[in-house]
Amino acid sequence: SQKIEQNSEALNIQEGKTATLTCNYTNYSPAYLQWYRQDPGRGPVFLLLIRENEKEKRKERLKVTFDTTLKQSLFHITASQPADSATYLCALDPTGTASKLTFGTGTRLQVTL
Amino acid sequence: DARVTQTPRHKVTEMGQEVTMRCQPILGHNTVFWYRQTMMQGLELLAYFRNRAPLDDSGMPKDRFSAEMPDATLATLKIQPSEPRDSAVYFCASGLGQGGDTQYFGPGTRLTVL
Repeated sequence: SQKIEQNSEALNIQEGKTATLTCNYTNYSPAYLQWYRQDPGRGPVFLLLIRENEKEKRKERLKVTFDTTLKQSLFHITASQPADSATYLCALDPTGTASKLTFGTGTRLQVTL
Repeated sequence: DARVTQTPRHKVTEMGQEVTMRCQPILGHNTVFWYRQTMMQGLELLAYFRNRAPLDDSGMPKDRFSAEMPDATLATLKIQPSEPRDSAVYFCASGLGQGGDTQYFGPGTRLTVL
């Protein structure tokens, strides 16, 4: 069966360090993979999208990698700040039209001073 | 700053009552999604529409849930009758449904069924 796995345990890191979150999937062949941020009491907010033929994508302090052989995406936040504390969700898009995204359960990131 | 709006933000009701949640998608977006989020299951797609036509509602319990788009500016999700297991946060999202597009989420409706 199709499965998306994100580390359910919270990730605690110190301010200034690089946070790395993992998204593993099985029995999918996604055209796109997206990362969203969700703050408590709010809806998810889109951060980055990476296509199946791209290895890496960057946006300011964010970097996403996509390894379709390993069926894994890594999401990095460099020089992390307490304001980066949130839950991060990965989502698989099989068609590339964002029509039927399947979300992982998310990983909560806590950045401390 | 265009946003998806949802009403109500919070709803507490008793088992057996009808619940209606409303969503106004971003103007110009032709695709609307309904999701349910719980701690156990995460974010699950219930249904989605394109150009107001339902394209997929396979994630929705058909016997009690219904979703409609009376017009391009309003999407509704109705539960009748509601049950305690329906307690969750319900999100509406909209998008353009094109390659490389993303989904824009509303703030959600937190539903508690007693």
